[in-house]
Amino acid sequence: GAVVSQHPSWVICKSGTSVKIECRSLDFQATTMFWYRQFPKQSLMLMATSNEGSKATYEQGVEKDKFLINHASLTLSTLTVTSAHPEDSSFYICSARVPSPPGPDTQYFGPGTRLTVL
Amino acid sequence: GQQVMQIPQYQHVQEGEDFTTYCNSSTTLSNIQWYKQRPGGHPVFLIQLVKSGEVKKQKRLTFQFGEAKKNSSLHITATQTTDVGTYFCAGGNQAGTALIFGKGTTLSVSS
Repeated sequence: GAVVSQHPSWVICKSGTSVKIECRSLDFQATTMFWYRQFPKQSLMLMATSNEGSKATYEQGVEKDKFLINHASLTLSTLTVTSAHPEDSSFYICSARVPSPPGPDTQYFGPGTRLTVL
Repeated sequence: GQQVMQIPQYQHVQEGEDFTTYCNSSTTLSNIQWYKQRPGGHPVFLIQLVKSGEVKKQKRLTFQFGEAKKNSSLHITATQTTDVGTYFCAGGNQAGTALIFGKGTTLSVSS
């Protein structure tokens, strides 16, 4: 199956700093990637849809100036958490849309990045 | 907005017992997907259902998609300790864009 990687897998930072998380599709091109966050023992909450070559589409309640998304190539999307605060501590997971004709697209998930803001 | 509800939130069974988790959407879905997330891991795609009334099997796992394409279920026969994890359903809307995840059902199995 399709492989999606994320880097870093774990990061600890001080409050006020910015953190960049990378999401890569390793063996396929992904025009669309999704960013989710997951709090402990909770479900995945969609943050934004990242489209190659265009601006990301953010879900209601997600601050686009705080969570900067850049989908610069067909294999890479980045999420930058700017001026991170402890409440931003979470598990961030990306996924890449994979066409599955004749049916709808499926999503393959990266391994996730655990962010802890002190 | 579209909501996907999943029950139960937690389920504990003895090894060998059956397990079922149910998923209901507030709107008609274009497709439904099921994922499994092991503790500390990331969601792994299990299966996708597209057709009304569709039933698919993967060994001991049986997946169903309702006739109205608004509900789905995952049934595990004779659970094993390797089945432990959280099972998420995720509904695709008619536009075929992002998935809306249910809250998941966490399964624990004791031997």
